[in-house]
This record gives sequence, structure tokens and C-alpha cells, in this order.
Amino acid sequence: QKEVEQNSGPLSVPEGAIASLNCTYSDRGSQSFFWYRQYSGKSPELIMSIYSNGDKEDGRFTAQLNKASQYVSLLIRDSQPSDSATYLCAVSSDYKLSFGAGTTVTVRA
Amino acid sequence: GAGVSQSPRYKVAKRGQDVALRCDPISGHVSLFWYQQALGQGPEFLTYFQNEAQLDKSGLPSDRFFAERPEGSVSTLKIQRTQQEDSAVYLCASSLAAGGSEQFFGPGTRLTVL
Repeated sequence: QKEVEQNSGPLSVPEGAIASLNCTYSDRGSQSFFWYRQYSGKSPELIMSIYSNGDKEDGRFTAQLNKASQYVSLLIRDSQPSDSATYLCAVSSDYKLSFGAGTTVTVRA
Repeated sequence: GAGVSQSPRYKVAKRGQDVALRCDPISGHVSLFWYQQALGQGPEFLTYFQNEAQLDKSGLPSDRFFAERPEGSVSTLKIQRTQQEDSAVYLCASSLAAGGSEQFFGPGTRLTVL
């Protein structure tokens, strides 16, 4: 079992819709949770970090964390074609990040 | 401000050659990380530096891989006697604090071993 699991995707959503991405992790000692966006051929770009249970909103992005369920999610509201990318969930219990394989999102106009 | 920079961006090596990949972290960032990303996968941890000290090298695949950060700033990842399975994107990341905090990635070096 991998440490961090994500929806295999790909996820296709119409422009303006909500994209919902899910991630589960196995290490109960995990303290820090991140979402990275990676465009094809580019490096991961940090878009959200969350450290405590509940919701955290930043613009069109909302991250949700439930440590009891070992679950973290990312919602992208009003999806735009520029949101088309692979989204990586990353989890840390100390300093190093453990990544999921990513979910590829395509926003169709 | 300037982000993390890496060079070269692309490297083609013949099997058996040695390569050196450079990372210049964000100024003032204490922590520096190297990750390896295979196609279609998330990055995998290789090694971690806090200033000049290499605190964790548990992710290095073999003793052919060596990393250093002698002055606590620029880091070099060296791969000796490259093999085809070493072909991947090598990502460097830095973070402001020691320990777990937000990590910012450089553009990566795509290594192809023929």
C-alpha cells in the first residue's frame, strides 16, 4: 500500500464547474499537508498548505483536512482552462514530503 | 524574488558516465531537498540538508548517488557510472525553516541515460 493515494483520474470538468480531488494517507503521524499543481513538463508549484482539521480557502481553491479519516481534499471552484494540470497531494510527518501519483485534471471549454 | 534554480535543465549521458546536477536554493532557506520524479509518478525523496549538514540520505537509490552542500547554500547531486534506470527528472526544493514547512521546487533537471 502506498503512503499517499489519490484518485487515478483523469478528471474532466466543464469550465465553470467544481473540480474535486481526493487524497488519503497511511501515516497517522502526518502533520503537514500540501497540494501542488504541476503543468506538463514543469515542476510542482505549491498552491495550498493545511495543517489542522477543517477547511482552508484561498481564492478559488479550498483544501479540506480530516486527520481522523486520514483524508485531505482539494476543491477548485469556477474551474478555468488554465487549471488543467496534474495535482499532487503531499504529506509530511517530519521534513520530507511523500507524494501521491497525482490526479490529472482537464477543464474543457 | 528569485526562486530555486537548477542546472543544467537537460542532461544526456551515456551509460557509465558521471553527472553532476546543481541546485541554487532560495536565498536564506535553511533546508534543501532532492527528489527524483519518474514519468507519471509523484516525486520521491532522495536526501535532505539542513544548512551544510546532510541529515537524511535514506532515499538515495544506491551508493552511486552522492549529494553535498558544503557551504550551506548551493548543492550538487552527483551520480556516478550512470545507468538507464537513473533516467528521470531530478528536482531540488528548499524551505525557509528547519523541519517540516512549505517546500518550493526548482525547474528540475531532466536526465536521460542512453
